[in-house]
Amino acid sequence: DGGITQSPKYLFRKEGQNVTLSCEQNLNHDAMYWYRQDPGQGLRLIYYSQIVNDFQKGDIAEGYSVSREKKESFPLTVTSAQKNPTAFYLCASSNSGTALEQYFGPGTRLTVT
Amino acid sequence: AQSVAQPEDQVNVAEGNPLTVKCTYSVSGNPYLFWYVQYPNRGLQFLLKYITGDNLVKGSYGFEAEFNKSQTSFHLKKPSALVSDSALYFCAVRDRIYNQGGKLIFGQGTELSVKP
Repeated sequence: DGGITQSPKYLFRKEGQNVTLSCEQNLNHDAMYWYRQDPGQGLRLIYYSQIVNDFQKGDIAEGYSVSREKKESFPLTVTSAQKNPTAFYLCASSNSGTALEQYFGPGTRLTVT
Repeated sequence: AQSVAQPEDQVNVAEGNPLTVKCTYSVSGNPYLFWYVQYPNRGLQFLLKYITGDNLVKGSYGFEAEFNKSQTSFHLKKPSALVSDSALYFCAVRDRIYNQGGKLIFGQGTELSVKP
């Protein structure tokens, strides 16, 4: 899982509550990404950031928010507006040059009831 | 639209036999291509990538993949499967021109099961 940490590994929340997932990397990578994984659907991009203090929406950004105040940190908040938040969330990072692979954290499994 | 297809949800192989996990893509121009592996409740691990040059790419753990431009395919192969290869495998592509911050487009994954 490289130098990327995600915490916590498992997270349980009640419906209607916001929750923040942590992602930290010590690889000195410029770019960071958040993906959502659901069974049989592969990974879908939620948000990405290529540089500090800048981020872009991915394919399924509705109901999520992010910040990028530090190069090594890219927290994801799952808001109460996200209609189906239960999923496995993966954070990744990469160098800003082209063609370079992304390195993934171990993931956070969020269950909302 | 850009897309990646892994036509098999599951591949079953006997230990010691060769394995192939299929991937086809639809991306404008010449893409960058990647394979990742995921073990249960873990993040994805990078296996190999195709950037340019030799169509046969060698990666981690004895895996290799062959880029076929005419068939828009990037199949993952291994000459002799191990039980420990059992995992979920993802193919991913990245548009070489329309970069979108390095966005990867993933296939839906193929579950590889290697039996002793």
